[in-house]
Amino acid sequence: DAGVIQSPRHEVTEMGQEVTLRCKPISGHDYLFWYRQTMMRGLELLIYFNNNVPIDDSGMPEDRFSAKMPNASFSTLKIQPSEPRDSAVYFCASRWGQGDMNTEAFFGQGTRLTVV
Amino acid sequence: KNQVEQSPQSLIILEGKNCTLQCNYTVSPFSNLRWYKQDTGRGPVSLTIMTFSENTKSNGRYTATLDADTKQSSLHITASQLSDSASYICVVLTSGTYKYIFGTGTRLKVLA
Repeated sequence: DAGVIQSPRHEVTEMGQEVTLRCKPISGHDYLFWYRQTMMRGLELLIYFNNNVPIDDSGMPEDRFSAKMPNASFSTLKIQPSEPRDSAVYFCASRWGQGDMNTEAFFGQGTRLTVV
Repeated sequence: KNQVEQSPQSLIILEGKNCTLQCNYTVSPFSNLRWYKQDTGRGPVSLTIMTFSENTKSNGRYTATLDADTKQSSLHITASQLSDSASYICVVLTSGTYKYIFGTGTRLKVLA
């Protein structure tokens, strides 16, 4: 397996534009996580899914952020409209759980978003 | 308030030396504690996952300890290598609500 695949690797957009980040989890994994990382706040969990269902979205900063997982092999994180303070590296991670919370999570390479 | 604090914030050591990174948490109820290594420009990679009943867990030259009574964990790196230069992040998962609480990380630099 190629691991967790994120696209694009880098995104530069103007303030107010819609941004969509994509993630393909490892095949067979039933948990998918979206994180944001900045120098100021470190790594933050935005939302996670179990079997394609959002379980905890309390980390989603504002209504401008939305995430979907239409099937087990694809998820998107959308920001509309984007703002300069959204600039960060966004990571997607997945793991196989089946109810076990102690399994290892695998991270993608991240998407570096810059909003100007 | 659920918090995870790591120390030191940054650390510089010479190649071949040992070092210990600290993680103190006030998270309750506790499910597990994870240590991640993050190289610059890459996603975090899991080093260890420890549950309440585990005191020590090793992964090569990395050894993690957990004291659930004092709510402290440490990550010991033996015979450091240049490739150990990275950020090390401690993460605690609560049980029940399954919230992930992140530390801000320790940035380690190993010099030749």
